[in-house]
Amino acid sequence: QKEVEQDPGPLSVPEGAIVSLNCTYSNSAFQYFMWYRQYSRKGPELLMYTYSSGNKEDGRFTAQVDKSSKYISLFIRDSQPSDSATYLCAMSAYGSARQLTFGSGTQLTVLP
Amino acid sequence: GAVVSQHPSRVICKSGTSVKIECRSLDFQATTMFWYRQFPKQSLMLMATSNEGSKATYEQGVEKDKFLINHASLTLSTLTVTSAHPEDSSFYICSAPQALTEAFFGQGTRLTVV
Repeated sequence: QKEVEQDPGPLSVPEGAIVSLNCTYSNSAFQYFMWYRQYSRKGPELLMYTYSSGNKEDGRFTAQVDKSSKYISLFIRDSQPSDSATYLCAMSAYGSARQLTFGSGTQLTVLP
Repeated sequence: GAVVSQHPSRVICKSGTSVKIECRSLDFQATTMFWYRQFPKQSLMLMATSNEGSKATYEQGVEKDKFLINHASLTLSTLTVTSAHPEDSSFYICSAPQALTEAFFGQGTRLTVV
């Protein structure tokens, strides 16, 4: 069993839709939870960072962490074609910048 | 945000040769950098942690003699794939943490061994 499970998709939605991306994990030591966006053949860029359980909102993006269920989510409101990318969840027990364990990524396409 | 520059972005080499990939933190110092490998449609797998002035720490299953890491300064780490074979073809990405809260990633290097 992988430490972090993420549905690879692909996921296609119309412009303006609400997108829900999810990951589950098995390692209860994870305390730091991140979502990265990766465009084709580029390095990942950090979208959201959450420590422990709770919600965090940044513009059109909302990250949720439920440690009791070992489940994290990223919601994208009013999705745009420019949101089309692969979204990777990542987790760490040591800090949001160190020794990250990544999900396999979900490929998202927002259709105009 | 901070910038991590990785070079080259793409390289094709013959089987048996060695390839060096550079990772530079352009506007901050990084005593630690991380090297990841990504296969198509798969997640990034941590290969090793590069430590400035000391030996790198390799993840289980990663051959240290195959993937040589040197972190000679606070802004530069290099990964050398030695005696490359087609199965080493992959996307290699470095990252450098700034403080505790964010890791900045390089653009990645697509290595193709023919």
